[in-house]
Amino acid sequence: AQTVTQSQPEMSVQEAETVTLSCTYDTSENNYYLFWYKQPPSRQMILVIRQEAYKQQNATENRFSVNFQKAAKSFSLKISDSQLGDTAMYFCAFSRSSNTGKLIFGQGTTLQVKP
Amino acid sequence: DVKVTQSSRYLVKRTGEKVFLECVQDMDHENMFWYRQDPGLGLRLIYFSYDVKMKEKGDIPEGYSVSREKKERFSLILESASTNQTSMYLCASSLRLAGAYNEQFFGPGTRLTVL
Repeated sequence: AQTVTQSQPEMSVQEAETVTLSCTYDTSENNYYLFWYKQPPSRQMILVIRQEAYKQQNATENRFSVNFQKAAKSFSLKISDSQLGDTAMYFCAFSRSSNTGKLIFGQGTTLQVKP
Repeated sequence: DVKVTQSSRYLVKRTGEKVFLECVQDMDHENMFWYRQDPGLGLRLIYFSYDVKMKEKGDIPEGYSVSREKKERFSLILESASTNQTSMYLCASSLRLAGAYNEQFFGPGTRLTVL
């Protein structure tokens, strides 16, 4: 069975600095998808960034980028130029290559951006 | 603007009561999901549905059932609520086409307390 582990329950960063959130996963699949979702306080969860396992190039979305290490089964999220609005809980998630789109989530990391 | 709505933000019920949580999406998505979110455990899939009247168990279906009579609506039912079902419940939806790569859109969540 697939598992997703986020080993950092809480992190903090100063505004404008860079922070990296860690995520590791376990799977025997060769093709799959990885996601980072953001849940701001009292607001709906939204997708931040996603990565297809067969693509070598790391995904980037503006200030958000990932470091995908397939052999190490690692998928970290880097937030550059942190902003107060980045304060949220971040979830790493895994999905097998199938039509169902079922997600397996990690435990979450609460990120606080300090002014 | 895409939207997933849930019938209540906060709900307080008594042990043994039958509880209905409703979710509606306006994006014509085939897939709909129910998760529960608990501190330190992340999100865990309860049930999902990939079409009207179709459903599949997720990772923690015990004590829950679901109903999907219309494409836009997916209901979660707690047949006899128990205190260990006190949790945050999140609904999500996604397109079936391109399956696992698709973004899931989440509702605001229902915080259920069972006394």
